Amino acid sequence: AQKITQTQPGMFVQEKEAVTLDCTYDTSDQSYGLFWYKQPSSGEMIFLIYQGSYDEQNATEGRYSLNFQKARKSANLVISASQLGDSAMYFCAMEWPGYSTLTFGKGTMLLVSP
Amino acid sequence: AAGVIQSPRHLIKEKRETATLKCYPIPRHDTVYWYQQGPGQDPQFLISFYEKMQSDKGSIPDRFSAQQFSDYHSELNMSSLELGDSALYFCASSRRDRDYEQYFGPGTRLTVT
Repeated sequence: AQKITQTQPGMFVQEKEAVTLDCTYDTSDQSYGLFWYKQPSSGEMIFLIYQGSYDEQNATEGRYSLNFQKARKSANLVISASQLGDSAMYFCAMEWPGYSTLTFGKGTMLLVSP
Repeated sequence: AAGVIQSPRHLIKEKRETATLKCYPIPRHDTVYWYQQGPGQDPQFLISFYEKMQSDKGSIPDRFSAQQFSDYHSELNMSSLELGDSALYFCASSRRDRDYEQYFGPGTRLTVT
């Protein structure tokens, strides 16, 4: 069965600094997708970035990049130049091969201080 | 750009009542997913539909049912509500051939008293 692990319940970072949010996964499948979502206190789930297991390049979207290490089964999210508005819960999720539904990790709460 | 629309945004019901949540996917998206997120929890997959047919089923209670209509909107029907059903219910949509772009709606916050 697929499993997503986010070991950091909370992270603190100062504005303008970079931060890495950890995500490891466990699957025996070769084809899968990895997602990161941001959930601010208002509750909506905002799609940030996607990485396919066969993608050779690490995904990037603006200030977000995904450090994908397939052999280690890790898909860490890197946020560069943190902003106060980045304070939110961040979820790593995995697409269950053949089903396209998502299995989420427990999330990491990121707090950005001035 | 158009996003996933969910209604209502907030709903308060009493135990044993019924509730209907609606979801309108992004235009040209043919797949709809429902997720339940309890307080302080990660979202859990309930059920999904592709082209009006049930596609996958997760941890959806028997008291809940859902369907997708010809205009691709979906409804989640919840009966005999329990206190534990209080949660944020998300609908997400995607195109089958681009399921790596799965976008979530703003959610419906259901409170059962």
